Order: sequence, then C-alpha cells, then structure tokens
Amino acid sequence: GENVEQHPSTLSVQEGDSAVIKCTYSDSASNYFPWYKQELGKRPQLIIDIRSNVGEKKDQRIAVTLNKTAKHFSLHITETQPEDSAVYFCAASTLSGYALNFGKGTSLLVTP
Amino acid sequence: SAVISQKPSRDICQRGTSLTIQCQVDSQVTMMFWYRQQPGQSLTLIATANQGSEATYESGFVIDKFPISRPNLTFSTLTVSNMSPEDSSIYLCSVVSNLRETQYFGPGTRLLVL
Repeated sequence: GENVEQHPSTLSVQEGDSAVIKCTYSDSASNYFPWYKQELGKRPQLIIDIRSNVGEKKDQRIAVTLNKTAKHFSLHITETQPEDSAVYFCAASTLSGYALNFGKGTSLLVTP
Repeated sequence: SAVISQKPSRDICQRGTSLTIQCQVDSQVTMMFWYRQQPGQSLTLIATANQGSEATYESGFVIDKFPISRPNLTFSTLTVSNMSPEDSSIYLCSVVSNLRETQYFGPGTRLLVL
C-alpha cells in the first residue's frame, strides 16, 4: 500500500521567515495530494491540495509543489505568523478511492 | 463545504463495553470514511463506509471490532466494540461531497477507555 514519509517532524521558525515541509510517497498511482492543518484540539482543516496534472499551486502565503518523477511534494509557507503554529499533515490518495494515507505530521512553531 | 457533526464529542468508557459514534452530514455525500488518531499521532484510516453494503476495512482493522453502518448518504455510525485502554483515541469521520473531491473532517470523538 501507499507509504507517505514526512519531514521534519518539528520545525521552529521566526515570524516572517519561510517554512518548508517535505513529503514523499511510494505509490506511483497516487494522484491527489492534500495538506491539512490541525490546531490543538481541533479537526484537521484542508489548507491546500494539488493534483498530479499540476506542478505547483499557490494560495496567498501558501504554496505546494509536486515532483511526480521523484514522488515528492512540498508545502511552502511564506511570511509566517504565530497563528501558523500547528501540526501540518500531508496525505496522498488515488482519486478513484479517495481514502487518504497521511504522513506523520510536522509540528510547526512560529515564534514572534 | 458540508457541515459534519459527530456524537458524542467525547466519552469515558469502561473496558469491555462498546460505544457507537454517529456522523451526520447536512447534505448528501459520495464517500464517508472513519479515521483514528491516537494521542500525538497521525490519522489512520479504519474503513470506508459504503452506503447499503458492508464497509471496506483497512489492514489491521476488522468488522467484529469496528462495525460500521451507513444506511443513507448523510449518516454513518462506527462502533468500537469490547473496548480496551488501547482504543483510547480520537475517532473522526470524513466525507467527500458529490460536487468536489476534497475531503472534509468531522470534529472528532475523543474516547478514553479506563
């Protein structure tokens, strides 16, 4: 089955700096890659997703890149703010099945 | 996005008992899933809840332990049977709507088994 690896497990940045989280996947059939943000005690919230026919997608301060050949995708957060502090999860799935395989998560801390 | 609710939001149960968790969506959805999130861990898919038929379970999860129902396109239940302390987790349902492929999560049910 699909195996999603996520790095780093923890990340601390200063406010205003950029943060990058990287994920790799094993199943070449995977073609949908969402990123979720989970604040303490809350449900995971989708922040951005990308499909395999696209190499990059951007939404304000958040961007995701996908390299299908290398089977890795990355989340980029620019101009980080303290409210970006949370656990971020990457995931992968084949659209036909929709079921998501999650990475282990990255705990991001943005210090003022 | 669809509005998803879960009941109960949390519970404390004794080992050996069973708990049924409900997931209700305010609109018809294509797919419904159940995930488990152990303390400080990632999300693990338990099963896909299929409308009108048996759920599809992931490796390591069995119907006798986690029976699932999905009688219609807006409702599903997950039962955690014969609970042990190792079942203490957050259980989340998620849905994929008819219109979009994006998956949204319910608020979760926090279960503590003593």
